[in-house]
Amino acid sequence: EAGVAQSPRYKIIEKRQSVAFWCNPISGHATLYWYQQILGQGPKLLIQFQNNGVVDDSQLPKDRFSAERLKGVDSTLKIQPAKLEDSAVYLCASSSSGGSGGYEQYFGPGTRLTVT
Amino acid sequence: DQQVKQNSPSLSVQEGRISILNCDYTNSMFDYFLWYKKYPAEGPTFLISISSIKDKNEDGRFTVFLNKSAKHLSLHIVPSQPGDSAVYFCAASFWGDSNYQLIWGAGTKLIIKP
Repeated sequence: EAGVAQSPRYKIIEKRQSVAFWCNPISGHATLYWYQQILGQGPKLLIQFQNNGVVDDSQLPKDRFSAERLKGVDSTLKIQPAKLEDSAVYLCASSSSGGSGGYEQYFGPGTRLTVT
Repeated sequence: DQQVKQNSPSLSVQEGRISILNCDYTNSMFDYFLWYKKYPAEGPTFLISISSIKDKNEDGRFTVFLNKSAKHLSLHIVPSQPGDSAVYFCAASFWGDSNYQLIWGAGTKLIIKP
């Protein structure tokens, strides 16, 4: 089966500019996650969707970050305006179920964002 | 506060020997623990998990041990192979307000020497 697709793979922008990332999860996966991974740290959940509804966005900086998942499939994550501290790898993951703690999440390759 | 800690940023092991990666946690409410492996420029991939009601889970060369009294788990890789060189993340799950949440450690970079 095809894995989680993300684009772009790399992006360099100046602070105060905007940027958008795209994710296509594994076909049939109802749950989609966006993570932020800063160098030297583990992934931090930004937002979790179940189908096209938001389940958890408690750690999403809503003054500058937004995300949507139209029709319960693809998702986009936007940052506007970007700050220097947003430099990180943005990972998208999907899973077939969000109802069990031991479930496996499948990750895309990530988008490396550099804000200058 | 770091609920999941991987105190060793890196570990170097001779090929063919045992690799032991460690993880400590503070939250007694975690019900599953998972290990993910990450190669450069790729996303993490799931390796093995263990339920909090068990103390050992084995899958081929990989075994995870859980010591609940010490709030400690470890991943054993025997024998270590060059392809095992990667960053290993420990993650723990718990039921939050409306969903299962995963808390991740900072990772340990494993280097297998030939």
